[in-house]
Amino acid sequence: DAGVIQSPRHEVTEMGQEVTLRCKPISGHDYLFWYRQTMMRGLELLIYFNNNVPIDDSGMPEDRFSAKMPNASFSTLKIQPSEPRDSAVYFCASTLGGRHNEQFFGPGTRLTVL
Amino acid sequence: RKEVEQDPGPFNVPEGATVAFNCTYSNSASQSFFWYRQDCRKEPKLLMSVYSSGNEDGRFTAQLNRASQYISLLIRDSKLSDSATYLCVVGMYSGGGADGLTFGKGTHLIIQP
Repeated sequence: DAGVIQSPRHEVTEMGQEVTLRCKPISGHDYLFWYRQTMMRGLELLIYFNNNVPIDDSGMPEDRFSAKMPNASFSTLKIQPSEPRDSAVYFCASTLGGRHNEQFFGPGTRLTVL
Repeated sequence: RKEVEQDPGPFNVPEGATVAFNCTYSNSASQSFFWYRQDCRKEPKLLMSVYSSGNEDGRFTAQLNRASQYISLLIRDSKLSDSATYLCVVGMYSGGGADGLTFGKGTHLIIQP
């Protein structure tokens, strides 16, 4: 298995632009998580899905952030409009069978908003 | 109070030494516990799960103290390749907020030759 796949790996954009991050979880995993990591705040859970359904999005910082999972093999995290404080590494992770089981992380997307 | 707290370090340790670090968690109802390892500019990866009876995996030993709500990781005969950030991770149960695993900010370990 290729593991969790994320794209792009790096994204540099200007303030106000829309950013879309993509994730393909491990095949067969029924939970998908989006995290954000910064030096100041560490790794923060933004939202997670179970069987393509968003379960808890209370970690999403504000309305500028949205996430979708149209099918079991694809999810997106969108930021519109982006701001410099959104600069961070965004990780997608997936797991099988329970939200407290081992999570497998993708390589992350390093986002820089100028 | 932070949900999962760790000493950020860095811990500078000579190669071959034994190093230990702890983390504390706030939710006494937590059910699952892990140590993840994160190398510089890489994704976190599971190092080991932590069980109530304690568990060992080669040079690594993890302990859980539910009464005091802390988790420990012991690394024996440390190698240069052990240099990384070690994240303490707890499966928190909460009535309303974001669920799943809660990650500590990590302890930075540097093994020196």
